[in-house]
Amino acid sequence: KAGVTQTPRYLIKTRGQQVTLSCSPISGHRSVSWYQQTPGQGLQFLFEYFSETQRNKGNFPGRFSGRQFSNSRSEMNVSTLELGDSALYLCASSPELTGGEQYFGPGTRLTVT
Amino acid sequence: QKEVEQDPGPLSVPEGAIVSLNCTYSNSAFQYFMWYRQYSRKGPELLMYTYSSGNKEDGRFTAQVDKSSKYISLFIRDSQPSDSATYLCAMRTAGGGNKLTFGTGTQLKVEL
Repeated sequence: KAGVTQTPRYLIKTRGQQVTLSCSPISGHRSVSWYQQTPGQGLQFLFEYFSETQRNKGNFPGRFSGRQFSNSRSEMNVSTLELGDSALYLCASSPELTGGEQYFGPGTRLTVT
Repeated sequence: QKEVEQDPGPLSVPEGAIVSLNCTYSNSAFQYFMWYRQYSRKGPELLMYTYSSGNKEDGRFTAQVDKSSKYISLFIRDSQPSDSATYLCAMRTAGGGNKLTFGTGTQLKVEL
């Protein structure tokens, strides 16, 4: 099976702009979670989608949003980018809502200038 | 205080050594425990996945969970230079969906 794929892999944006990142889960997986990884804070949970519904949300401002499509692919959007949003954004997929193993994609490295 | 504590290292060991990596946690609701390996500029790779207390072995890797002490460990036997990476512990509650809480990661270097 193909692994979790994320596009784009690298992105450079300017403060105030918005960005959309995409994640395709492993075939058959219905749960997609998003994480932000920074050197200072480590890996932090953003949100999780299962069957097109947000099931969990982390402690991030409303500028961070996401959605999931009927084919389980997911997108996350960050509006009004700030310098502190520079990070590696990781997507993870799991076959189940709970109790299943989670597999991560390679991430999208976002740089905000 | 963070929910999951992990010594950031760096930890440097000679090739062939046994490596012990550890995490402590404060939330007694955590039931699922994972170890991930992350190479530089890559996504985390799932190494071990365990439920509740006990041991699990997979090749050179052994994961231990002691829920009474809120302590988990990963042992790597016969360490290789290719094991040089950051090791992240992660854990999840039974009813919290797939939300993972991570440790900060331990940087490991295995030297020839």
